[in-house]
Amino acid sequence: AQSVSQHNHHVILSEAASLELGCNYSYGGTVNLFWYVQYPGQHLQLLLKYFSGDPLVKGIKGFEAEFIKSKFSFNLRKPSVQWSDTAEYFCAVNAKDTGRRALTFGSGTRLQVQP
Amino acid sequence: DTGVSQDPRHKITKRGQNVTFRCDPISEHNRLYWYRQTLGQGPEFLTYFQNEAQLEKSRLLSDRFSAERPKGSFSTLEIQRTEQGDSAMYLCASSLAEGAQEQFFGPGTRLTVL
Repeated sequence: AQSVSQHNHHVILSEAASLELGCNYSYGGTVNLFWYVQYPGQHLQLLLKYFSGDPLVKGIKGFEAEFIKSKFSFNLRKPSVQWSDTAEYFCAVNAKDTGRRALTFGSGTRLQVQP
Repeated sequence: DTGVSQDPRHKITKRGQNVTFRCDPISEHNRLYWYRQTLGQGPEFLTYFQNEAQLEKSRLLSDRFSAERPKGSFSTLEIQRTEQGDSAMYLCASSLAEGAQEQFFGPGTRLTVL
């Protein structure tokens, strides 16, 4: 079974600061990796995904994430955050090799961007 | 709006009562998933369907929980004899079975059991 760890539970940044949110997963096989975002009062939205190929993936709103297989990590980055990035961010994984598509989520990181 | 919809958005019930939630997926999506999310946690998988077939159920899904997708379109999740520990946000997601298989989430149904 997979598991996902997000070590930063609550992050507070000022606008224009750089962001990096950690995500580590535990699974011995091949995986698909996702970052979802939940803005206040809204439902979960896909931010970006990694299925295969270039380990550096770019998503919406200037976000990117890098898959480092040797570290079982998929950290989310943004060079300059905006107040509108205030949201909760969830890392998720599913097992590619089993065909099972249910997502396993981390516990989330609440990002607060101060103007 | 052609996204995933869920009804009701909020449900307050007394312990011991039965509740039923509905999910309407994106119309061309043949996979439908149910997740549960409690405060401060990420969503946890409950069950999923491909068309009308229920292909997997989590160990979290006790005997009091049942889900159906009778015609391969909308789905219902029923909780019988609700307990206070059932209080949570119940999320529905849908995806295609082929290709990118990205899951698109609905707004959720927030259940409060008194």
